[in-house]
Amino acid sequence: QVQLVQSGAEVKKPGASVRLSCKTSGDSFSAYHIHWVRQALGQGLQWMGTINPSAGSTTYAQKLQGRVAMTRDTSTSTVYMELSSLRTDDTAIYYCATAPKLGLAASRITGGGWLDSWGQGSLVTVSS
Amino acid sequence: DIVMTQSPDSLAVSLGERATIHCKSSQSVLYSSNNQNYLAWYQQKPGQSPKLLIYWASARESGVPDRFSGSGSGTDFTLTISSLQAEDVAVYYCQQYYNVPRTFGQGTKVEIK
Repeated sequence: QVQLVQSGAEVKKPGASVRLSCKTSGDSFSAYHIHWVRQALGQGLQWMGTINPSAGSTTYAQKLQGRVAMTRDTSTSTVYMELSSLRTDDTAIYYCATAPKLGLAASRITGGGWLDSWGQGSLVTVSS
Repeated sequence: DIVMTQSPDSLAVSLGERATIHCKSSQSVLYSSNNQNYLAWYQQKPGQSPKLLIYWASARESGVPDRFSGSGSGTDFTLTISSLQAEDVAVYYCQQYYNVPRTFGQGTKVEIK
């Protein structure tokens, strides 16, 4: 299975941007999709979007469109998630996770299947 | 968006007893082309990242104890812990990967009675 190691905690002011990293190891970078999921403290899980590391193609949650960008560096097997125009309600733990690529017959939507490996999470605090 | 609704929000079960969590989707997540339900279950223990338990609604992830089982089809799904152990105290989430955005249930907290 893939191991994912995320960058450390960040403290940002409202209106700023944050860039988180998710470094993968243990399997080919092109064998899976990477998703980002966030969790406000004490709350549930919110899907943010996905990137296909081999193609670089992305799909984002509509609620975050225009504020989120996911990129990858294939030379270091690292995926990045940048969230801009931060608000206090963006305070959360941000997780990256892998999803297996599904065969053509099973691929309904982009992003592969279930989330089978998760990073340790990165806490982002947005406060003035 | 597909809304995933779990019930109950929390439950307390005695050690060794059965725990049952329900998940209902606002539209079917059964894909007719391959007859698979695009539904997964995750376990999140306090202070930890979520962990995959079940995918395709009933396929157990490697290494997951067989006391965990998933069932259901279409819009109604169930996660069953056949004999609750102390280490099963956690919040459990269902998630659909049938449509974008991928959505999660609100979570069900399982505690020891």
